[in-house]
Amino acid sequence: EAGVAQSPRYKIIEKRQSVAFWCNPISGHATLYWYQQILGQGPKLLIQFQNNGVVDDSQLPKDRFSAERLKGVDSTLKIQPAKLEDSAVYLCASSFRPGTGNTIYFGEGSWLTVV
Amino acid sequence: AQTVTQSQPEMSVQEAETVTLSCTYDTSESNYYLFWYKQPPSRQMILVIRQEAYKQQNATENRFSVNFQKAAKSFSLKISDSQLGDTAMYFCAFLSGTYKYIFGTGTRLKVLA
Repeated sequence: EAGVAQSPRYKIIEKRQSVAFWCNPISGHATLYWYQQILGQGPKLLIQFQNNGVVDDSQLPKDRFSAERLKGVDSTLKIQPAKLEDSAVYLCASSFRPGTGNTIYFGEGSWLTVV
Repeated sequence: AQTVTQSQPEMSVQEAETVTLSCTYDTSESNYYLFWYKQPPSRQMILVIRQEAYKQQNATENRFSVNFQKAAKSFSLKISDSQLGDTAMYFCAFLSGTYKYIFGTGTRLKVLA
C-alpha cells in the first residue's frame, strides 16, 4: 500500500516569495491534515480536511497561508508571502476517518527554508 | 484546552538496556486515545503504540509498552532491549473527541553502542 506522498521534499526561497506544497494521501483516507513542525518542536496542526471540507483551520495564518483539497483527494498548501519564521517542515498526514482512534499516517515532509 | 507535556527533552540509553519516556496530559474528557510516535532522522513519523482511555490494560507492542495512569493523566513509554534503530525523536500525542490530535514537544532518544 502506498504511503502519504509529498512534494517537493526540500525548498529554499527568499522572504516575500511564494511556495506551494502538494500532498497525496493514502487511498481511501477521508481525513487529511497539514502540520507545521519547527525544529525542536512538536507538530502543530495548520488545517484538517474531511473529504474536501475544512474541519479545523483555527491555527492557519490565513493572511499568508491557504490550503485546498479539491475532489477530496490531493491537497495543496500555499504560503504567500513567506516570512523567515515560516522555515519549518510541513507534514501532511491522513487517516481513514477522524476519531475512533484511527491512526494517522504521515508523509516524509516538505522542508522549507526561508532566507 | 487539552495539553500534552513531555518533560524530558533528551535522553540516552545503552544498547540492550531499558528506558522510560514520560508524558503527561490534561483533559476534561473521559474518552480519548493516546499515542506514541517515533520520528527518526529521516523525519517520517510512524506509530509506535496506542492506548484507548477506556481500556485499563496497558498496551504492549513487542519491545514497547506503556504505563497508562488515567487518574494521574500519565502515559509513559517503556522501551526494553533498546536497539540502535530506536534512536529518534519520540512524540506523545492525544486524540480527543473533537478529532484533533495534539502533540507534545518530543523527547530525543539516543541509543548508545
